[in-house]
Amino acid sequence: DTVLTQSPALAVSLGQRVTISCRASKSVSTYMHWYQQKSGQQPKLLIYSASNLESGVPSRFSGSGSGTDFTLTIDPVEADDIANYYCQQSNELPYTFGAGTKLELK
Amino acid sequence: EVLLQQSGAELVRPGSSVKISCKASGYTFTDYYMHWVKQRPEQGLVWIGRINPANGNTVYAEKFKSKATLTADKSSNTAYMQLSSLTSEDTATYFCTRSETTDYYYYFDYWGQGVMVTVSS
Repeated sequence: DTVLTQSPALAVSLGQRVTISCRASKSVSTYMHWYQQKSGQQPKLLIYSASNLESGVPSRFSGSGSGTDFTLTIDPVEADDIANYYCQQSNELPYTFGAGTKLELK
Repeated sequence: EVLLQQSGAELVRPGSSVKISCKASGYTFTDYYMHWVKQRPEQGLVWIGRINPANGNTVYAEKFKSKATLTADKSSNTAYMQLSSLTSEDTATYFCTRSETTDYYYYFDYWGQGVMVTVSS
């Protein structure tokens, strides 16, 4: 299975630029997607196919990368962005998720 | 408006089975795979498997092949997941989510609200 590695947590200040990383154990091309999950809610799609912004998602979110290294950038961070962020690969079955990065306020 | 409406929370006994549902609306049910994802309390997301409602074809993650059974009813636009031989390890929230069958990027654009399944005696 393709293992996705994310940093467990990041502490940020409001208005700051933050980058969340995801590294795959093998190349997934651009079959990488990002989700936001707030406490007690279902995940929400932010970025698909590495760099495409889902409709309705604020433009302060962006994604980049290909192969094994990917990033989700939030610029600037707003209070509403405090949540868990997951990457997910769909290059091969089984589809796998990273363990998540918890975005916290400094 | 696309909606995936899941059934209510379940409290079940160890060793029993449970069947949860996901009713889809606002789109053509047979144009999208339905996937199921597990999330244990305070943990990450795990993909269980998917079903193609158009023909009933299923794919499971290896660890769920003997645990989960996915079905779909085209007449009611509802997908189901049955979990068998339940243990405390199955206590989790289960989400349904969809991806377009003709888009090979297979990202999950809409999600159900989740069903909390608690296994306890």
